[in-house]
Amino acid sequence: QQPVQSPQAVILREGEDAVINCSSSKALYSVHWYRQKHGEAPVFLMILLKGGEQKGHDKISASFNEKKQQSSLYLTASQLSYSGTYFCGTESETSGSRLTFGEGTQLTVNP
Amino acid sequence: DTEVTQTPKHLVMGMTNKKSLKCEQHMGHRAMYWYKQKAKKPPELMFVYSYEKLSINESVPSRFSPECPNSSLLNLHLHALQPEDSALYLCASSQGLSTGELFFGEGSRLTVL
Repeated sequence: QQPVQSPQAVILREGEDAVINCSSSKALYSVHWYRQKHGEAPVFLMILLKGGEQKGHDKISASFNEKKQQSSLYLTASQLSYSGTYFCGTESETSGSRLTFGEGTQLTVNP
Repeated sequence: DTEVTQTPKHLVMGMTNKKSLKCEQHMGHRAMYWYKQKAKKPPELMFVYSYEKLSINESVPSRFSPECPNSSLLNLHLHALQPEDSALYLCASSQGLSTGELFFGEGSRLTVL
């Protein structure tokens, strides 16, 4: 079952922060985050495994609340290069290695 | 080498044609995937190969036929496609079958006339 992402789109000025949410009705084993720029391949950002782990690199971090089956991606002090569509992908405990992507969140960072 | 290479980048075919999409990786990954992506939509899983064996087929119509000749190559054979099959076809690979980073290729943009 497809996870639900919110918001669908967000527009920021450079330096502002954003949060993208991903939720599922199924018990999740892992949550993946990818960014896809227009005309390019999706690029891996991070994986969060069952256990409520929070990960991050640079100014992009994420959390996973396994009790609520929710994950959030935090982008702080956004840069122009952060623009793109962000997809969360989820693996449930019964999905058998199937990664199902949400509809995506289109992020635009303006100067 | 952390690349997944897909050819061709663009393909236009008629509904009676037979064509193939090719994907290659040299990262030693044992799992390879085909995804289909329509404009402004997320990638949708089509097939998964693990150790050169088909492990997942997401009820894809038989006009799409995957093949994994060896651990580095993945093909998608196309025959008698419909216009609604026009999409970006993405190949991906990962070290293992579960919970691993997916490395995506740039995709093959297919147009069916």
